[in-house]
Parts: sequence; C-alpha cells; structure tokens
Amino acid sequence: GAGVSQSPSNKVTEKGKDVELRCDPISGHTALYWYRQSLGQGLEFLIYFQGNSAPDKSGLPSDRFSAERTGGSVSTLTIQRTQQEDSAVYLCASSLRGEGGWSTDTQYFGPGTRLTVL
Amino acid sequence: GQQLNQSPQSMFIQEGEDVSMNCTSSSIFNTWLWYKQDPGEGPVLLIALYKAGELTSNGRLTAQFGITRKDSFLNISASIPSDVGIYFCAGQLFAGGTSYGKLTFGQGTILTVHP
Repeated sequence: GAGVSQSPSNKVTEKGKDVELRCDPISGHTALYWYRQSLGQGLEFLIYFQGNSAPDKSGLPSDRFSAERTGGSVSTLTIQRTQQEDSAVYLCASSLRGEGGWSTDTQYFGPGTRLTVL
Repeated sequence: GQQLNQSPQSMFIQEGEDVSMNCTSSSIFNTWLWYKQDPGEGPVLLIALYKAGELTSNGRLTAQFGITRKDSFLNISASIPSDVGIYFCAGQLFAGGTSYGKLTFGQGTILTVHP
C-alpha cells in the first residue's frame, strides 16, 4: 500500500486478556517504530526495529509488552495481561533507512490502534 | 531522558488570525520536526528543520530551528478551519552513521479555529 497501515483500528478488551496489534510499514522501509499516545499526551517511544532485529527496546514499559517483526516487514506488538493503564492509541511508523540514515530519514505514521482496556 | 516542553497546550482562535507555538528542550537536537495530527489519524509531517538558525516555510506555515539547537517555533498565518488539529514538535538526534533518529515529542498544542 501507499502508506503505513495498522489493524485493528479499535480494540476493546477486558483487563487481564492478551492483545496483538499489527503494523504494515511502507514497502521497502527498513526501519519500524512503535509509539504510544495516551489521552492528551504526546507520543511516547516504545521500540525500534532495523530489519527484523530490535536494537532499541528501551521504551517498552514492562515485560508484559513485546514486539516482533518478520520478513523485514510486518510487525506485531503484543500486550499480555492487559491493564487499564495500557489504554492508549498505539502508533506505528516506518522510515526508509533508520540506522545509517541521517536527518532526512523521515518517519511516516500509520493511523494507530485505539486500545481500550475495561 | 530528554524532555520537550511545548506551549501553549491549547489555542482558540478566529479564522484569519495568526498562530504561534513553540518547543524548548533541555538538551540539543540536530533535527526539529513539526507534525499535525487530525482526529483518528497518525501524525503527518509538516516541516522539517535540519540546521541551527534555519527558517523554513511551507505555504502558510513557517518554522525556525533555534540557534542553541534547543528550541523551535511554528507559525501559522491566516488560519482557516482545516487548520484544526493537534500540532506536535519533535526533536531528533542522529549521533552518527550507525545510530538512528529516535523522535522525542512535545505534549502537543490543540488548535481550534472558529469560523
């Protein structure tokens, strides 16, 4: 597709359940990023992928959060045993180069997945 | 970690007015970016600034990269109703060819334009 896509667009789950959020980056983009946006807040970095590896996982808030990327393309963010404080919009972005890039390596964002934990 | 302070948090203006918002940082960045987010959408890049002191325009938008590399402002002239949305500043720091540019975002400015 032309842009970054994410699914589902909305997810409502019960506390304690696991959820999986999917991101399809722009074709050919080697770098992929996950961010979290809580209500009324800016975007908070979660994890960065270069290809299928994740050199920077420093933003993952707890060990309940994990992410993987396969084939240098699709990425899945998994939240286990969801808590109410996990409710937020989860945004994915991709860029052409990531590591080895420079200032013009623009990140393009998907529309996000709105997660609500009841 | 790095913190970006963005102000104002919200603005209510009349159509046709000019708007100004700014961001300050506790540490330097080598790229400043301004994004706009519409409801239900991801942020869209408006302007990118790559050099300290740089002043860049994109239509009715003008942004500057502060000389100290710790601040940036965005001006919108002659606002129109479709300017409504949340505007975010973001700083990016590339430390060299082997690093990547993790974005640090401000808290956002919510802009409302009354016709």
